[in-house]
Amino acid sequence: EAGVAQSPRYKIIEKRQSVAFWCNPISGHATLYWYQQILGQGPKLLIQFQNNGVVDDSQLPKDRFSAERLKGVDSTLKIQPAKLEDSAVYLCASSLRHRGPNTGELFFGEGSRLTVL
Amino acid sequence: DQQVKQNSPSLSVQEGRISILNCDYTNSMFDYFLWYKKYPAEGPTFLISISSIKDKNEDGRFTVFLNKSAKHLSLHIVPSQPGDSAVYFCAFQGAQKLVFGQGTRLTINP
Repeated sequence: EAGVAQSPRYKIIEKRQSVAFWCNPISGHATLYWYQQILGQGPKLLIQFQNNGVVDDSQLPKDRFSAERLKGVDSTLKIQPAKLEDSAVYLCASSLRHRGPNTGELFFGEGSRLTVL
Repeated sequence: DQQVKQNSPSLSVQEGRISILNCDYTNSMFDYFLWYKKYPAEGPTFLISISSIKDKNEDGRFTVFLNKSAKHLSLHIVPSQPGDSAVYFCAFQGAQKLVFGQGTRLTINP
């Protein structure tokens, strides 16, 4: 079974530029998550989709970050304009169920490492 | 407002001995508790979990303990192996959200 695919793996941009990350979840997984992991910290949820609807985006800096999940499958996360503090690994994850036992078990991709200069 | 704390950023253990990783939380509404393991340049992978109605769950070399009165979660690995060297995150599920701790880097020495 293919895992969660993310691209690009690495991206270096200058501040005020824009960047986009792509994620393809595990086939059949209804819930998709974007997490931001800053060096030395745990992953922080940015946005959670259930199919193509947003369940939680309370920690997404909406003035510069946007995300969409068209057709309930692939998702893109965009940052525009980027700031120095956006340097982090952006992790995409998916899960089969939104509710029920083991709802916390997520399957993560390898992440996209962003460096903002 | 930090709901989850892993107070030890790193831990070094001799191969064959027991590794104990700890996590404290403040939110009593969490209903599921998980541990994830992360190798460099990879995403976290699920390791073991426990529901709030239990106090222990065992899977091979890994045992998770939950002390609800102390709001404390721990992971025991015995015996520790070199392949266990990784960053371990505790994670807490509640209100459809998963909150991660800061991580503990475990190093197993031969």
